[in-house]
Amino acid sequence: DTGVSQNPRHKITKRGQNVTFRCDPISEHNRLYWYRQTLGQGPEFLTYFQNEAQLEKSRLLSDRFSAERPKGSFSTLEIQRTEQGDSAMYLCAGQAGGIYEQYFGPGTRLTVT
Amino acid sequence: DQQVKQNSPSLSVQEGRISILNCDYTNSMFDYFLWYKKYPAEGPTFLISISSIKDKNEDGRFTVFLNKSAKHLSLHIVPSQPGDSAVYFCAASETGTYKYIFGTGTRLKVLA
Repeated sequence: DTGVSQNPRHKITKRGQNVTFRCDPISEHNRLYWYRQTLGQGPEFLTYFQNEAQLEKSRLLSDRFSAERPKGSFSTLEIQRTEQGDSAMYLCAGQAGGIYEQYFGPGTRLTVT
Repeated sequence: DQQVKQNSPSLSVQEGRISILNCDYTNSMFDYFLWYKKYPAEGPTFLISISSIKDKNEDGRFTVFLNKSAKHLSLHIVPSQPGDSAVYFCAASETGTYKYIFGTGTRLKVLA
């Protein structure tokens, strides 16, 4: 158990709806990452936070996607106007300062119908 | 452009034998590497890491080897157990970037 939790674990939504996912890392994780994984692929980097500051965003993160980490603890990832191509597993990972290893939560599987 | 490649989508090994999973990368600036194991419907679980200043790191049944000149790393699992059956991902990072680039994974099946 990495101590990183994600909610919900599964989300089914209709195309065009907005969805929001939450990630709760452990307190030692000053860095928090969001990745997306589709079938047959490895996780793809979306964005990361150091404390509450969002320091990098991938070009995969279109302007329909927004992420926040308001107090440097939990983080949310929102997708507006979902499309079928957004269907994927969304993974959150935490990383403590001074170490390289990232520890993943169980993921949120999004299905857009 | 796939900077981290796992060219074997699947591998079957008998229980008790050695499993060798391979990973190649193209970016010579990568200097830290991780291996993860992933079961269905779960997040990846960290297994073992290696820095570019080393060529080998060992943790129990898991050993990772790094060949910088060939831009190649491998994960050895000895002895393989049925519970090792999962998808294995290698990931690489460049100092200062903090994000990891993942390969596409190798599905390992350990046969009892």
